[in-house]
Amino acid sequence: NAGVMQNPRHLVRRRGQEARLRCSPMKGHSHVYWYRQLPEEGLKFMVYLQKENIIDESGMPKERFSAEFPKEGPSILRIQQVVRGDSAAYFCASSWDRGYEQYFGPGTRLTVT
Amino acid sequence: QQQVKQSPQSLIVQKGGIPIINCAYENTAFDYFPWYQQFPGKGPALLIAIRPDVSEKKEGRFTISFNKSAKQFSLHIMDSQPGDSATYFCAASKNNAGNMLTFGGGTRLMVKP
Repeated sequence: NAGVMQNPRHLVRRRGQEARLRCSPMKGHSHVYWYRQLPEEGLKFMVYLQKENIIDESGMPKERFSAEFPKEGPSILRIQQVVRGDSAAYFCASSWDRGYEQYFGPGTRLTVT
Repeated sequence: QQQVKQSPQSLIVQKGGIPIINCAYENTAFDYFPWYQQFPGKGPALLIAIRPDVSEKKEGRFTISFNKSAKQFSLHIMDSQPGDSATYFCAASKNNAGNMLTFGGGTRLMVKP
């Protein structure tokens, strides 16, 4: 399977817990983007990363959210002390290079109880 | 302004009809305009994309029309089929800004048999 992989597909967390979402880009892709989709809404950009670098995090909430894309392994979006408003679908996309088409993964649906 | 406005929010057509989905943008720096198709519970799938140096692009039954002066673009689906029933998102990005996508609000299309 050469597509973008995300896990877990569904994640339930209680308020105050931490959520870790993982994204493995398509083979050969070194650019990763994270988007959030609230129910019945479009996708909103959160962060753009290359290997070991955060390029643009202008869409990330200032607190509780962080992202990384290490030299080895998947990209991780971390949400600390989750609140109910964090409940959403989180999508990862990857591209071969800056300015090329983005291909999306199946998403992680986070539910905060 | 980074906004992309999409209409209509929902659309019902009969099989064989030609649904048309419209998007308008404000930022003249946008230079890449993709359309994504999303089925329930799935990630967005890249359908077709256009750059402002052309006014129309066709891929199979899908056509993008682009009007640079009006800052509008639209998706036409020829000979629509029930299998086309999905949510469609337009998007826009600035190539020299890392290609982060700004999405429209989505159009839920239903094609009746």
